[in-house]
Amino acid sequence: NAGVMQNPRHLVRRRGQEARLRCSPMKGHSHVYWYRQLPEEGLKFMVYLQKENIIDESGMPKERFSAEFPKEGPSILRIQQVVRGDSAAYFCASSPPGASRDEQFFGPGTRLTVL
Amino acid sequence: GDSVTQMEGPVTLSEEAFLTINCTYTATGYPSLFWYVQYPGEGLQLLLKATKADDKGSNKGFEATYRKETTSFHLEKGSVQVSDSAVYFCALGAQKLVFGQGTRLTINP
Repeated sequence: NAGVMQNPRHLVRRRGQEARLRCSPMKGHSHVYWYRQLPEEGLKFMVYLQKENIIDESGMPKERFSAEFPKEGPSILRIQQVVRGDSAAYFCASSPPGASRDEQFFGPGTRLTVL
Repeated sequence: GDSVTQMEGPVTLSEEAFLTINCTYTATGYPSLFWYVQYPGEGLQLLLKATKADDKGSNKGFEATYRKETTSFHLEKGSVQVSDSAVYFCALGAQKLVFGQGTRLTINP
């Protein structure tokens, strides 16, 4: 059973460009979470999605950031008009439905660098 | 809101030393508690968890006990190895995990 997959692993963008980060959850997992890790800091929750639904986006910046988890295909975190402060590692996690939902499995992350 | 405070690092120990990394939390209710480990350039791996008071999570020689009275979940290992060098994160929650700032651990041979 493959783990959580994220791509790209490294992404370089210039200020003002768009960044698209992809996450494929583990097989059988219907819950996806996105976290951001700034250098030398812990992870900060951004958004929690189930298929076609955003359940909790309380950690998402109000502007420029959006996330989706369509019926088919990976979850996408989209950052429009990137700024230098968006440089960070973005981690996706997934969990199965039901009682084991509190155990999240993390992907390797996408390291975004904004020039 | 909920929060997690971890022992500040970095922590440097010799191989076979005893390890403690302190973690305390504030939370409403009784959330699950976790320790995650992050090796260089990689994502987080779940090390152990506890879901209710007095539960002890254990894995790979690491242990942590959910202490409601002291709101703590300290990580311990009796004899560390060089391969344990990593960053360790304490976390709480369910759908929305709240993480501590991480403790970088280096084990010297």
